[in-house]
Amino acid sequence: GAGVSQSPSNKVTEKGKDVELRCDPISGHTALYWYRQSLGQGLEFLIYFQGNSAPDKSGLPSDRFSAERTGGSVSTLTIQRTQQEDSAVYLCASSLEGRGGSTDTQYFGPGTRLTVL
Amino acid sequence: RKEVEQDPGPFNVPEGATVAFNCTYSNSASQSFFWYRQDCRKEPKLLMSVYSSGNEDGRFTAQLNRASQYISLLIRDSKLSDSATYLCVVRGGGFKTIFGAGTRLFVKA
Repeated sequence: GAGVSQSPSNKVTEKGKDVELRCDPISGHTALYWYRQSLGQGLEFLIYFQGNSAPDKSGLPSDRFSAERTGGSVSTLTIQRTQQEDSAVYLCASSLEGRGGSTDTQYFGPGTRLTVL
Repeated sequence: RKEVEQDPGPFNVPEGATVAFNCTYSNSASQSFFWYRQDCRKEPKLLMSVYSSGNEDGRFTAQLNRASQYISLLIRDSKLSDSATYLCVVRGGGFKTIFGAGTRLFVKA
């Protein structure tokens, strides 16, 4: 079946512009996560959606970052007034339930590589 | 102190070697543990979950030591295709997932 997809695969923008990154999770997965990975670094948790529950936004680095998930499926991560330090690969993952447990595997999309000039 | 710490390596080993990675975590309430593999410029993929009793999947063995708050990954009979970055992953009682920065492995012929 189809995996997690993300678009665009690459995005180059100028400092100060807004960008939107899209994630299509695996069908039927109720949990969706956003991470970012800077060059040579580990994954940094950004935000988590689980079903109809309020999202956990504790990982968002500033109020320039926001995300929504419409209809419990597609998610959009928006970065306003981009800065050069926002340059990174933004990864989306989905899992069946998201309730933890050793069987709740996260499946990752290929990521969006964001470059802010 | 980082919530999840790993030796960044790189580990350079010959084919056929046995190599082990450790990972320490700071939150004693952590409940789920995983090893993910990430190839260069690719997304992470689950390698194996780590169970309290330890578990084995072919050439890979994972162990959990709750008392000392570390997990380990042992790779036997290393293959060239094992070259990758290995990410230690820890989850708390809910959903927040903490990834280590990864350990780089290079297996050479």
